[in-house]
Amino acid sequence: DVKVTQSSRYLVKRTGEKVFLECVQDMDHENMFWYRQDPGLGLRLIYFSYDVKMKEKGDIPEGYSVSREKKERFSLILESASTNQTSMYLCASSFGEGNTEAFFGQGTRLTVV
Amino acid sequence: GEDVEQSLFLSVREGDSSVINCTYTDSSSTYLYWYKQEPGAGLQLLTYIFSNMDMKQDQRLTVLLNKKDKHLSLRIADTQTGDSAIYFCAPLGRTGRRALTFGSGTRLQVQP
Repeated sequence: DVKVTQSSRYLVKRTGEKVFLECVQDMDHENMFWYRQDPGLGLRLIYFSYDVKMKEKGDIPEGYSVSREKKERFSLILESASTNQTSMYLCASSFGEGNTEAFFGQGTRLTVV
Repeated sequence: GEDVEQSLFLSVREGDSSVINCTYTDSSSTYLYWYKQEPGAGLQLLTYIFSNMDMKQDQRLTVLLNKKDKHLSLRIADTQTGDSAIYFCAPLGRTGRRALTFGSGTRLQVQP
């Protein structure tokens, strides 16, 4: 079974803190993604990566950065957390391009106070 | 970029059919997916349709695609309480694209 594991289910951080969300996949997938999920807005793509050290901006990259030093690990970084970044964050991975299933982690619910 | 629209909520009685609708804007979408999210979980692929098909059936699930109107629907026959979840439509646009664009999701509530 493909497994995408996010390091935390719940996080509470203070405004201005630097926050790291970690994601690991065990299926040698090329692609990894970070989405945020908000009620009524669905999933919005923050960043994705199609190879080690490669990254592309998604639809809402402002206030976020990412790191992919190893193929299996993709980190989302909030440089200075703000209350409007309170959300559910979902990591996903997939193989290649075209018709390919995306596998999702359980999500990290981040609250910034 | 791609815009994907879904209604936010649908309530049905157990045993009835459910129809979840989706409209999208990118006419070059090649594959169109339906994902399901159960409470407290990530998303799981439910089914998909290739853009050269009009219909795909998979047990209780029927996917209909109207490319002219850019309209996708998911029909669940004999809806069960275990089908209660959020359903997301996600087209994959243009060749070579790797990231899915998701709709807002439709919360399906099944009344016993």
